[in-house]
Amino acid sequence: QKEVEQDPGPLSVPEGAIVSLNCTYSNSAFQYFMWYRQYSRKGPELLMYTYSSGNKEDGRFTAQVDKSSKYISLFIRDSQPSDSATYLCAMFYNFNKFYFGSGTKLNVKP
Amino acid sequence: DTAVSQTPKYLVTQMGNDKSIKCEQNLGHDTMYWYKQDSKKFLKIMFSYNNKELIINETVPNRFSPKSPDKAHLNLHINSLELGDSAVYFCASSQENTQYFGPGTRLTVL
Repeated sequence: QKEVEQDPGPLSVPEGAIVSLNCTYSNSAFQYFMWYRQYSRKGPELLMYTYSSGNKEDGRFTAQVDKSSKYISLFIRDSQPSDSATYLCAMFYNFNKFYFGSGTKLNVKP
Repeated sequence: DTAVSQTPKYLVTQMGNDKSIKCEQNLGHDTMYWYKQDSKKFLKIMFSYNNKELIINETVPNRFSPKSPDKAHLNLHINSLELGDSAVYFCASSQENTQYFGPGTRLTVL
């Protein structure tokens, strides 16, 4: 079983839709949770970072962590064509090793 | 100012050749990484250095040799290149529990 599971998509939505991206994980020791956005032919860019359970909001983006279910989500409100990218979840607990999901490709149609 | 930079951006070479990729970060981070990203966008960690000391060495062929002359630089040398080495290689740096990526080096082995 992989440490972090993520549906690869692709996920195609119309502009203005609410997007929900999700990851599940198996290691209950994970404490730090991140979402990265990767545009085509670019490096991953840190989008959101949360510690422990709960919600964190930043503009149109909300990151949610449910440690009891080992489930994290990223919600994008009022999605824009510029949000079209691959979204990677990542997790960390110690020893400087980050664990990544395989990425979900999102396409927001104008 | 670019936080994590890599050179070259593109590398096209013949099988059997030896090549190097360089990485520099100006964030003052102690830890640097090399990742390989395949065509399905999965990020696989290869190596990590903390303050010039190797701390993560995943199952990678010994044709790959990292070198960290100082904590701001981490280079990757690849001997006897094979077709399967074709991928995008990302350098990253981290401090505590957030990680930042370079723009990637797209390696094509012919």
